[in-house]
Amino acid sequence: DAGVTQSPTHLIKTRGQQVTLRCSPKSGHDTVSWYQQALGQGPQFIFQYYEEEERQRGNFPDRFSGHQFPNYSSELNVNALLLGDSALYLCASRFAGRQETQYFGPGTRLLVL
Amino acid sequence: SQQGEEDPQALSIQEGENATMNCSYKTSINNLQWYRQNSGRGLVHLILIRSNEREKHSGRLRVTLDTSKKSSSLLITASRAADTASYFCATDSNQAGTALIFGKGTTLSVSS
Repeated sequence: DAGVTQSPTHLIKTRGQQVTLRCSPKSGHDTVSWYQQALGQGPQFIFQYYEEEERQRGNFPDRFSGHQFPNYSSELNVNALLLGDSALYLCASRFAGRQETQYFGPGTRLLVL
Repeated sequence: SQQGEEDPQALSIQEGENATMNCSYKTSINNLQWYRQNSGRGLVHLILIRSNEREKHSGRLRVTLDTSKKSSSLLITASRAADTASYFCATDSNQAGTALIFGKGTTLSVSS
């Protein structure tokens, strides 16, 4: 049973560029959330997708957008990258019918130069 | 903003000793979860305790929850070098949604 997978594992971009990160949820899960974790900090909630719609959003600007596909996988897009967007981006999944444990992927480490 | 605050920020112990980490939060919750993170990798779920529970055990882990004080503790007994990691508590607000709110974490170092 595959857990949550994310790609790529590492990414280097320059300021102003755009980036797309991908996530495949754990088998049987239909809800995907994205988190940003800056160095030395705890993860911060970006948004959550369920039934291909954004259901909940944290305090992040519109430069952060996402998408969920019919197979429940998800993408996180960040436009006009800033140096401060450098972080570990974590994807978490769960089954909507059980609002409890969220399982996290290994993350994508983004470095913006 | 971060709801949970772990204490201490860093903890160094010897193998075989017990490690206790504390977490405080601000708003009412449905449940509280503890996660472990090794060297900036993904988070590994350790244990979930519901708001109507006071104590829960899982192997060498013991979690307590005091909703009146809005606090929780994680005890790792007979620690091992492999327990070296950062530990985070995460809460979900019972107001809406299931977004997890994390603290800054406790960095545990277990030396052999």
